[in-house]
Formats: sequence, structure tokens, C-alpha cells
Amino acid sequence: DAEITQSPRHKITETGRQVTLACHQTWNHNNMFWYRQDLGHGLRLIHYSYGVQDTNKGEVSDGYSVSRSNTEDLPLTLESAASSQTSVYFCASSTGTFNEQFFGPGTRLTVL
Amino acid sequence: QKEVEQNSGPLSVPEGAIASLNCTYSDRVSQSFFWYRQYSGKSPELIMSIYSNGDKEDGRFTAQLNKASQYVSLLIRDSQPSDSATYLCAVESNYQLIWGAGTKLIIKP
Repeated sequence: DAEITQSPRHKITETGRQVTLACHQTWNHNNMFWYRQDLGHGLRLIHYSYGVQDTNKGEVSDGYSVSRSNTEDLPLTLESAASSQTSVYFCASSTGTFNEQFFGPGTRLTVL
Repeated sequence: QKEVEQNSGPLSVPEGAIASLNCTYSDRVSQSFFWYRQYSGKSPELIMSIYSNGDKEDGRFTAQLNKASQYVSLLIRDSQPSDSATYLCAVESNYQLIWGAGTKLIIKP
């Protein structure tokens, strides 16, 4: 069955370290998204991609970067982790612009 | 800044009753609207999508859309304890989804 996976599921890191969160989907979806979710906030868009070599900044992109070298993967990199980036991170994918998004299981990141 | 507003709750509903969840949005040209359910510690899962004015029914769930009032709602009939979760409203705006903060629903046995 097609799915979307994230790794690691839990990560503890220190301030200033570089961290990469992996997202892999087997839906063959063109569109992929990274969100963060914090208490009291809805899902906030970090970066998104509409296809290979395409990446775009979302609402809260500062301190994060992505790259899209194939259809299946969109890794999210925190260049220099900060305590404000402690959050739950979700990756999602969709077939088209107006279509529903399907979510991975999430990564809980703690920055100490 | 496009916005999607939901009452954070918690909304407490007796088992077997109808739960009514509401969402308003600011972007008048939005075309796609979604309801997701999120259990604690889990990822959001799609339960309903709606694209045109009126009602759309799927089992115990009914989504209602009124574009003139910029309002979308979700009705859950015969509420079950397993419906206890946070319900997220998502609205398409400028080719992205804008998310509400969610309404926490509690179904009391």
C-alpha cells in the first residue's frame, strides 16, 4: 500500500546543531509539504514543493530549508537548531493543487 | 493574511447526540474545503472534503458549505466516544491549505 513515512519519529538535539528530518512518500504525488504544529496554533506551513527541483517558502520558513531531488523525498533541514523550533513536524503530500493532503505520522523534535 | 477561525472548545456532546463543528474563513475565492480529525499524538486524517455550496453526506458525517457567508461546518450524527478528537478545518487559499487551530470534541458516554 502507498504511504508516507517520516524519520526519525523522535529526536532530541542541542541548540546550534544541524538537524535533518526525512519524509518519504510512495503515493507518487507531485506536491509535498512540511508543517509544524504547536499548542494553540493550527498547522503552519514551513516549505512546500510542487515537483522535482521546485521548492517554496511557507509562512514560517526562517531557519529551515528543503530540497527536492526526486518525487518521493522532501527532507527538511534545520540549519542551526533553536529552542523555538521544538515542535511536532508533519510531512504531507497531495496529487494536485486543490486536492486533499495526506499526512505522515510526524516527528517530535526537542531542541535543548 | 488569510485566516481560518474555529472555536477551540472543548465541545462536550452526549453520546448519540449530534455534534456541530463550525469554521469561518476570510478568503472569498477559496474553492476547496476540508475537515480533518486528529487524535492526540497522531497525525491529521481526512474525513470530509467539500467543493460546492450545500451539504455533502458520508455516513454519520455531513459537511455544509456556504460560500456567501464564508462558513463551513461539520455535523456528526449519533456521536460515539471514538469521535472524541480535535477537528481541523482547512481551506484552500492561493494554492495552499490554510488551517484553523482546531476544535476539541469530547463525546460523553
